[in-house]
Amino acid sequence: QSVLTQPPSVSGAPGQRVTISCTGSSSNIGAGYDVHWYQQLPGTAPKLLIYGNSNRPSGVPDRFSGSKSGTSASLAITGLQAEDEADYYCQSYDSSLSAFWVFGGGTKLTVL
Amino acid sequence: QVQLVESGGGLVKPGGSLRLSCAASGFTFSDYYMSWIRQAPGKGLEWVSYISSSGSTIYYADSVKGRFTISRDNAKNSLYLQMNSLRAEDTAVYYCARVGYGDYDLDYWGQGTLVTVSS
Repeated sequence: QSVLTQPPSVSGAPGQRVTISCTGSSSNIGAGYDVHWYQQLPGTAPKLLIYGNSNRPSGVPDRFSGSKSGTSASLAITGLQAEDEADYYCQSYDSSLSAFWVFGGGTKLTVL
Repeated sequence: QVQLVESGGGLVKPGGSLRLSCAASGFTFSDYYMSWIRQAPGKGLEWVSYISSSGSTIYYADSVKGRFTISRDNAKNSLYLQMNSLRAEDTAVYYCARVGYGDYDLDYWGQGTLVTVSS
């Protein structure tokens, strides 16, 4: 059971917009710690997609955006493309546990 | 460019030991905190351990505490994970990752090395 909760799967047609939620608690996201998002393409290592709730590293298309409010965060992907099909993970920091870096269980995005 | 290359994975029997290495290049290794994260087959990501830039501060997940030891050699630009008393549930791809300058983000990851614990 992951500390952060994500939907197991989402899907959308090419060109559409999808969102992935990430719900935490008062000891992680709600405590003010930033949320980060990672994209894991099939058979590859995770790659940082969004950091500090809403910032994109160099090279990440602006089709990807992040937001945070209260104890939750969201990743939005607009103009869906086939190459966006991947697993997406949210991550934050938790001050109450001995597992300081906490992840969501991951969301499989399927492009229909 | 930043590169992290893990090695040392393999097949080991329950109760056995293994030492993973992560060779870093393309950045000043001694300036950065580092972490190990693992991913069991078909499962999500699990943080394993963290080490500060000097090695003075170390954290472990409860699941590995007392069995795994993280260390680093800044002169060799290398990160290590000594894994003892291995269990079947330690079977996973192990990634080393650089802790970014933000709020605990992991900004670069290696390609991973597979550890299989089986008799």
